Amino acid sequence: DSGVTQTPKHLITATGQRVTLRCSPRSGDLSVYWYQQSLDQGLQFLIQYYNGEERAKGNILERFSAQQFPDLHSELNLSSLELGDSALYFCASSVTAGLNTGELFFGEGSRLTVL
Amino acid sequence: GNSVTQMEGPVTLSEEAFLTINCTYTATGYPSLFWYVQYPGEGLQLLLKATKADDKGSNKGFEATYRKETTSFHLEKGSVQVSDSAVYFCALTSGSRLTFGEGTQLTVNP
Repeated sequence: DSGVTQTPKHLITATGQRVTLRCSPRSGDLSVYWYQQSLDQGLQFLIQYYNGEERAKGNILERFSAQQFPDLHSELNLSSLELGDSALYFCASSVTAGLNTGELFFGEGSRLTVL
Repeated sequence: GNSVTQMEGPVTLSEEAFLTINCTYTATGYPSLFWYVQYPGEGLQLLLKATKADDKGSNKGFEATYRKETTSFHLEKGSVQVSDSAVYFCALTSGSRLTFGEGTQLTVNP
């Protein structure tokens, strides 16, 4: 158990809909990362928050947004869903903002299926 | 930008066979290098890491050496077990994020 909690574990929805994925980081970790894992794209970095502030942005679509709340949990909002958004979405956390000597702790992921 | 290239899978081995999964990288500066493992139905977890050239990371019988001259970080294990069946990801630090390779699926048969 990594200590990172993601909900829901599975989600099935229709095209055009909007969903929210939730992540609670490990106790004491200030950084939260979101990654998308799909068969054709591999693991893609979406966005990072550190202590409530956006820290780094990766290949995140404009239809997607995220935030980190004062209690450090984070939510990833996906809107106007398309079939290609079907993927496993991972949240990860770390103590610091940088990673040169640290590591990421991953949750078990939220599997999104768009029909 | 920084990138990681892993050998294509899937890799299928018999128990007690020798394992090598190749990883090469392109990076500016001096990134830290990692191997993560993803067991079925689970999130990724750190297997080992190396933070500077010539460092060797090791854990659970797996090893990888940070080779700056060949920009490589190949994963090796002398004798694999069925329980090692998983997807293995090579990764490097890119600023404050990790950039992952495509992953290599390993299946070990009894």
